[in-house]
Formats: sequence, structure tokens, C-alpha cells
Amino acid sequence: GDSVTQMEGPVTLSEEAFLTINCTYTATGYPSLFWYVQYPGEGLQLLLKATKADDKGSNKGFEATYRKETTSFHLEKGSVQVSDSAVYFCALSAGWGNTPLVFGKGTRLSVIA
Amino acid sequence: DGGITQSPKYLFRKEGQNVTLSCEQNLNHDAMYWYRQDPGQGLRLIYYSQIVNDFQKGDIAEGYSVSREKKESFPLTVTSAQKNPTAFYLCASSSPTGNEKLFFGSGTQLSVL
Repeated sequence: GDSVTQMEGPVTLSEEAFLTINCTYTATGYPSLFWYVQYPGEGLQLLLKATKADDKGSNKGFEATYRKETTSFHLEKGSVQVSDSAVYFCALSAGWGNTPLVFGKGTRLSVIA
Repeated sequence: DGGITQSPKYLFRKEGQNVTLSCEQNLNHDAMYWYRQDPGQGLRLIYYSQIVNDFQKGDIAEGYSVSREKKESFPLTVTSAQKNPTAFYLCASSSPTGNEKLFFGSGTQLSVL
């Protein structure tokens, strides 16, 4: 079945460091790919998405490029801030309509000043 | 403001007791979902409903039940058959054009007394 694999955390970085969180997927067809972020004690919020190969999603300084050849959707940010500390989830949607998303296990990021 | 409201934020269950988690949305979304979040395991789908009066089991439906009598409401009952109910429960809904964007509630933390 469809699945998403994320790098395990936790990831601890100093402020202004470069961030990469790896995400690879397995799916039939051409899924849409997403990154969600969860701040402590809250639900998830959509961070960015890409719906076809070579698309780049971006938001709040975060970027991810849909790479069909490597089945990857790695999340990057050039300079992290303390406020970026959260759990990040990679997800895919392989079906049509309201087919449930498949989530990775999440990667916890801690940014220290 | 449109959104998803989950209540209560914290809930305690005694052994052998059924408890019900509330989820209400005013986004006019057709589809609604329940996920369970455990540390290190990401999000796992419990049940989902794509339309009123219809719902499907997700990956971990055993010990849970749902109803969808109104478009706005999708309550989750954790029954006494669920032997390990302690977790963070997240409700979500998706837009009418498809699940390109899931909207999440702020979650309910369920603990066993």
C-alpha cells in the first residue's frame, strides 16, 4: 500500500542553521505531496504542498520539491528560528476526492538560540 | 470564523467506561476524519466519513465507533473494548473539492484513570 517514510528525530539545530528533513514515499500513480506542521498541544496545519512532479511548494521560508525520479519530497529551510520548533509531518494523497491522506511518523525539530 | 472545534481538550476515562469525543465543523466540508496520535507513531486513521450517514473504518477502528448524522458533526466514541486508549485524538475535515487540504481541530488528549 501507499506509505511515507520520514527521517527520525528529534532534530536539534542552532538558530540560523540550515534545515533538511527527508521524506520519501511509495505510491501507485501520481500522488499529491504535503508537509504539515504541529506546534505543541495543537492540531496540524498545512505548511506546503506539491501536486505534480518537479513542482516546488513553499511557505514561510520552507521549501520542498516533488522529485518523482527519487520518490522524495524533502523539506528545507535556509535559516531556522526558535519559533520553527515543532513536529513536521510528510503526507501523500494518492486517491481522488476525499481519500484519506497517508502520513509519515513525524519529525520533531528543536531550534535553540 | 470557520473552523473545527474539538471538545473537551482533556478527557479521563475510567476502566470499562465509554467516552465520546466531540468534533464540530462550520466549514461546510463533506468529509471528516478521526486520527489517533501516539508518540513516535505519527497519525493513524481511525474512521472517516465522506458524506452524511456514511462512514468507513480506517487502519485502527477496533474499539472505536462513530456516527455522522449531521454534516457538521462527527463524534468519536472510545469504547471499553479499546484497551489502550491513552492518546491524542485529532479530528479533521477536507474541502469540497477534494482532500488537497485537511483542516485539523486542536485535539483531545484522552487518558485512563
